[in-house]
Amino acid sequence: AQRVTQPEKLLSVFKGAPVELKCNYSYSGSPELFWYVQYSRQRLQLLLRHISRESIKGFTADLNKGETSFHLKKPFAQEEDSAMYYCALSGGTSYGKLTFGQGTILTVHP
Amino acid sequence: EAGVTQFPSHSVIEKGQTVTLRCDPISGHDNLYWYRRVMGKEIKFLLHFVKESKQDESGMPNNRFLAERTGGTYSTLKVQPAELEDSGVYFCASSQVEAFFGQGTRLTVV
Repeated sequence: AQRVTQPEKLLSVFKGAPVELKCNYSYSGSPELFWYVQYSRQRLQLLLRHISRESIKGFTADLNKGETSFHLKKPFAQEEDSAMYYCALSGGTSYGKLTFGQGTILTVHP
Repeated sequence: EAGVTQFPSHSVIEKGQTVTLRCDPISGHDNLYWYRRVMGKEIKFLLHFVKESKQDESGMPNNRFLAERTGGTYSTLKVQPAELEDSGVYFCASSQVEAFFGQGTRLTVV
């Protein structure tokens, strides 16, 4: 069975500090991993996916198959990064059937 | 381009009543998904349509839930009769590749 674990429900940092949101997964095959973000009063939206290996809004995430992790990192957090972040896994050919983690609420203080 | 639209945004009903949620996907998206987030839990997959066909309904909790997508356009999710544990936020997403989410319908069963 596939599973995504985000160990931190809440994460607080100060503006300008580095931030790392943890995500671990279990899946028997080769998964596709994603980070979704939900800002206050907005809909869930894709932040980045491992296959594209890009940096979005200063965030990066590297898939570590040995540690089965896909942690989200940003070197200098901004107040506008405050949001709910979800790590998600897709095991099939459809990127829409996702297994989500529990989510981490990130708060960036001024 | 219009995004995924869900109606209503909120619904409060009494236990035993029927509620129908609607999702209008992005035009041209063959894939449509329903998800649910129950309070305190992670977002969970309910089912997946490809056009008008149910591709995967493995996440549907029980036979009180009925999803349809007549004509392969919009979809409805009916809960009949509603129970207290059905309360939560119901999300719809559509995709060709990347999944785009609607704003969700918050259902409260009292």
